[in-house]
Amino acid sequence: DSGVTQTPKHLITATGQRVTLRCSPRSGDLSVYWYQQSLDQGLQFLIQYYNGEERAKGNILERFSAQQFPDLHSELNLSSLELGDSALYFCASSVRDRGFGELFFGEGSRLTVL
Amino acid sequence: SQQGEEDPQALSIQEGENATMNCSYKTSINNLQWYRQNSGRGLVHLILIRSNEREKHSGRLRVTLDTSKKSSSLLITASRAADTASYFCATVRTGGNNNDMRFGAGTRLTVKP
Repeated sequence: DSGVTQTPKHLITATGQRVTLRCSPRSGDLSVYWYQQSLDQGLQFLIQYYNGEERAKGNILERFSAQQFPDLHSELNLSSLELGDSALYFCASSVRDRGFGELFFGEGSRLTVL
Repeated sequence: SQQGEEDPQALSIQEGENATMNCSYKTSINNLQWYRQNSGRGLVHLILIRSNEREKHSGRLRVTLDTSKKSSSLLITASRAADTASYFCATVRTGGNNNDMRFGAGTRLTVKP
């Protein structure tokens, strides 16, 4: 158990809809990272937050947004969903601000868009 | 887009044999990390090697890094059936506009009992 909690574990929705994925980092970790894993794109870095502030941005679509709250949990919002958004979405946390040290991953949220 | 490229894509060995996985990358890095993923599960960190290090050991794992060739290798010695998983290298770049960790496509290792 990594200590990172993600909900929901599974989510099935329709095209055009909006979903919110939630992540609680390990106790004491201030950085939260979001990754998308799909068969054709592999693991793609989406975005990083540190103590509520955006720190790094990867291949995150404009239809996607994220935030980190004062209690350090994070939410990834996916809107106007398309079939191609079906993937495993991972949250990871670390103690570090920059430099991407060891990341602790949650078990992921599997999103299926029909 | 991915930074690291693992080789081979798939590897099947017998229990007790050694497994070697390679990772090549394109740009300069701050550090390189190896992760393991059991099917459909979260990734688990195995080892981190900094750009100024050449070799690191952790239990049955040995990682090498050659920054001149932009490549790394992960060696698992005396493999066990429980080592069956996908293994990913991740390259970390920091500084300026380059601040990310990118994963390769992974090597799927099967260890037969």
